[in-house]
Amino acid sequence: EPEVTQTPSHQVTQMGQEVILRCVPISNHLYFYWYRQILGQKVEFLVSFYNNEISEKSEIFDDQFSVERPDGSNFTLKIRSTKLEDSAMYFCASSDWGISYNEQFFGPGTRLTVL
Amino acid sequence: KNEVEQSPQNLTAQEGEFITINCSYSVGISALHWLQQHPGGGIVSLFMLSSGKKKHGRLIATINIQEKHSSLHITASHPRDSAVYICAVRPNTGNQFYFGTGTSLTVIP
Repeated sequence: EPEVTQTPSHQVTQMGQEVILRCVPISNHLYFYWYRQILGQKVEFLVSFYNNEISEKSEIFDDQFSVERPDGSNFTLKIRSTKLEDSAMYFCASSDWGISYNEQFFGPGTRLTVL
Repeated sequence: KNEVEQSPQNLTAQEGEFITINCSYSVGISALHWLQQHPGGGIVSLFMLSSGKKKHGRLIATINIQEKHSSLHITASHPRDSAVYICAVRPNTGNQFYFGTGTSLTVIP
């Protein structure tokens, strides 16, 4: 069964460093999303992406964040200068179009630790 | 403001018990997701609902659009059902989902 994959599973970085989190969505999906979950808190929406551009973003998704679909398969989240409060689990998700649009399939997550 | 409230926050049940987890939300929605999150952190989609009722194995999800309420039921609960169950809603406008804080379920053998 097709699934969303994410790499790495765990990333440790120093404050101020840039990180890139990678996701491979399900191949025929058209909508892509990033979420984050700070330890002990609820999942929060970061950004949605469709047709090679951001379709919606939350207030969390500030200028430190960017997303890209560099090729036909990868979907990346970049944090330019990490802060301690960026430590969280980051989930990628994708969804199909039409009547399947609302059903999102989640990746296993990348745990980001900023020291 | 889009609020998603789940109850209870924590639930402990004996194996075999019937379990109900509730989700209430404050705005009109186009879809509601029930998700399962295991201790390792991974999230699995259980149901996507826009109306009515869906059943998959021992899991049943219902939604009442007028009352802005959904329930997730687990019949004949088993220790492997132990996880955090999360409700997420997509408002009628916009792409994003808003998540509840989750219900932590522990099923004791």
